[in-house]
Amino acid sequence: SQTIHQWPATLVQPVGSPLSLECTVEGTSNPNLYWYRQAAGRGLQLLFYSVGIGQISSEVPQNLSASRPQDRQFILSSKKLLLSDSGFYLCAWNLGPNTGELFFGEGSRLTVL
Amino acid sequence: KQEVTQIPAALSVPEGENLVLNCSFTDSAIYNLQWFRQDPGKGLTSLLLIQSSQREQTSGRLNASLDKSSGRSTLYIAASQPGDSATYLCAPGGDSGGGADGLTFGKGTHLIIQP
Repeated sequence: SQTIHQWPATLVQPVGSPLSLECTVEGTSNPNLYWYRQAAGRGLQLLFYSVGIGQISSEVPQNLSASRPQDRQFILSSKKLLLSDSGFYLCAWNLGPNTGELFFGEGSRLTVL
Repeated sequence: KQEVTQIPAALSVPEGENLVLNCSFTDSAIYNLQWFRQDPGKGLTSLLLIQSSQREQTSGRLNASLDKSSGRSTLYIAASQPGDSATYLCAPGGDSGGGADGLTFGKGTHLIIQP
């Protein structure tokens, strides 16, 4: 069966520090991968998605970047965190657009102080 | 651009009641609609996926219906239990949504089932 892992689960970082959140999927090949952010009182916002190795699409301009170095690995990064980067970050995957059921990881809680 | 509204925003009911959660969306040209559950501090768990050609899907005590032409979906929970307490989100998928999956999320209905 397919599983998705995210880490770290919780992170407290000072403003200006770097960030790396990692997501891996097991039990499937060539998944579409997604990074979402959920801020308090707001809906889910799609940040990045990837349909293949090295292929990254950004949905919103921001202080973050994403990379997909391997088929089932998706990384969210920042060189210098801002206070506004605080939030709950969720990785997700499916096997195709428009028809594929979307599955989420457990999330990473980021607090920038 | 797709917009999704979920009503009510919050609901608190005693155990055993049958519930209906509502989801409306502005662009009816969707491929599918997915219902999720989110427990506090956790990721989203997929409950039901309805393809645009389907009218409803059932899983245990959950039944989701889709009326694509009117831009509505409902999630029916039968014989509610305290373990059903969570936030429920709907997400229609289509070309007017974002990203490769085209999903647009509502803000959810926060459900509390009182024992």
